[in-house]
Amino acid sequence: EPEVTQTPSHQVTQMGQEVILRCVPISNHLYFYWYRQILGQKVEFLVSFYNNEISEKSEIFDDQFSVERPDGSNFTLKIRSTKLEDSAMYFCASSESGVLGVYGYTFGSGTRLTVV
Amino acid sequence: DQQVKQNSPSLSVQEGRISILNCDYTNSMFDYFLWYKKYPAEGPTFLISISSIKDKNEDGRFTVFLNKSAKHLSLHIVPSQPGDSAVYFCAAKTGSARQLTFGSGTQLTVLP
Repeated sequence: EPEVTQTPSHQVTQMGQEVILRCVPISNHLYFYWYRQILGQKVEFLVSFYNNEISEKSEIFDDQFSVERPDGSNFTLKIRSTKLEDSAMYFCASSESGVLGVYGYTFGSGTRLTVV
Repeated sequence: DQQVKQNSPSLSVQEGRISILNCDYTNSMFDYFLWYKKYPAEGPTFLISISSIKDKNEDGRFTVFLNKSAKHLSLHIVPSQPGDSAVYFCAAKTGSARQLTFGSGTQLTVLP
């Protein structure tokens, strides 16, 4: 069964440093997403991406965040200057159609980001 | 902002019995609802969904019920199996928007 792959599984970074989280979506999917879950809290939407541009973003997704699809397979989330409160599990997801239909997204296993 | 609420953080059920997980929402614009299951160290996995034009959707052991007037949905698992032990998230979306709004999750434990 096709998977969304995220690397690394765990990243520790110092406050103020830049970090890039990487994702390989399912190959025939066209829509890509980032969500995050702070420990003990809800899964929160960050951004959706289609046709090489952001289609939706939440209030969380401020100027310190950016996304990119640098080639035909990778989808990245960059945090420019990490803060302690950025520590969370970050989930990448992809979907085949803009209409979720009956199958929803396919999520990756997540990257646990720890900012120290 | 708690547009989607799962008020029970945990639920324990005996194997073979029915598990009922509940979810309430406040945003009347939500028109599509999904349930996800999450095991530790994995991402959420889609389980079942329902459109707001329906009040029930069934897939094998899993049934989702939607009560629009009460802004309430529930997931029934019958019979429950130990492998069903996981965190279950309710999620909702509006119209053509792609973002999902998640509840806080319910940890289901199915006891052998």
